[in-house]
Amino acid sequence: GQNIDQPTEMTATEGAIVQINCTYQTSGFNGLFWYQQHAGEAPTFLSYNVLDGLEEKGRFSSFLSRSKGYSYLLLKELQMKDSASYLCAVRAFKAAGNKLTFGGGTRVLVKP
Amino acid sequence: KAGVTQTPRYLIKTRGQQVTLSCSPISGHRSVSWYQQTPGQGLQFLFEYFSETQRNKGNFPGRFSGRQFSNSRSEMNVSTLELGDSALYLCASSLGTGRETQYFGPGTRLLVL
Repeated sequence: GQNIDQPTEMTATEGAIVQINCTYQTSGFNGLFWYQQHAGEAPTFLSYNVLDGLEEKGRFSSFLSRSKGYSYLLLKELQMKDSASYLCAVRAFKAAGNKLTFGGGTRVLVKP
Repeated sequence: KAGVTQTPRYLIKTRGQQVTLSCSPISGHRSVSWYQQTPGQGLQFLFEYFSETQRNKGNFPGRFSGRQFSNSRSEMNVSTLELGDSALYLCASSLGTGRETQYFGPGTRLLVL
């Protein structure tokens, strides 16, 4: 099976940087996704990593190390609207198609 | 392009009843996946449909079923509802090649009394 761990909650100050870690155990790794979910809303896609390294998209960056089973999402220049849950999800190769296994989510609270 | 749409957005049912939820994917997307989200269990995969066939299945009882139509729209059905079925049901669509990103709809919030 798959096991995905991420911290439950993090607090940071507006303008600061926050790093959300995600560790996973899976056989046949085939990609890691980060989604943002505001309370009461649907998850929205943030980033996708399938190869080792850093992917940067504006204020958000995501890093992957397949050998360590580790990823992080970096949020820079935090804004109040970044207060949300951040979900790490892994796709396993053995399952054809689009079965994603999600971590429990990290709730980020941005304070003024 | 219009996003993923789900109907209804909110639903209240009683134990023992059955419910059908609908999902219309993004135009051109052929894969539809369904997820259940609860505070205690998080987001859990129910099943995925591609070209009217179930391609993947999660660990849910047989009371949960689905289908997909030729226009890629999908429905999921839950029979004999239990209190624990109260959740946000999300569908996600993608092109269907197996390596692309899934895009989520707004969800249907189901309350079972």
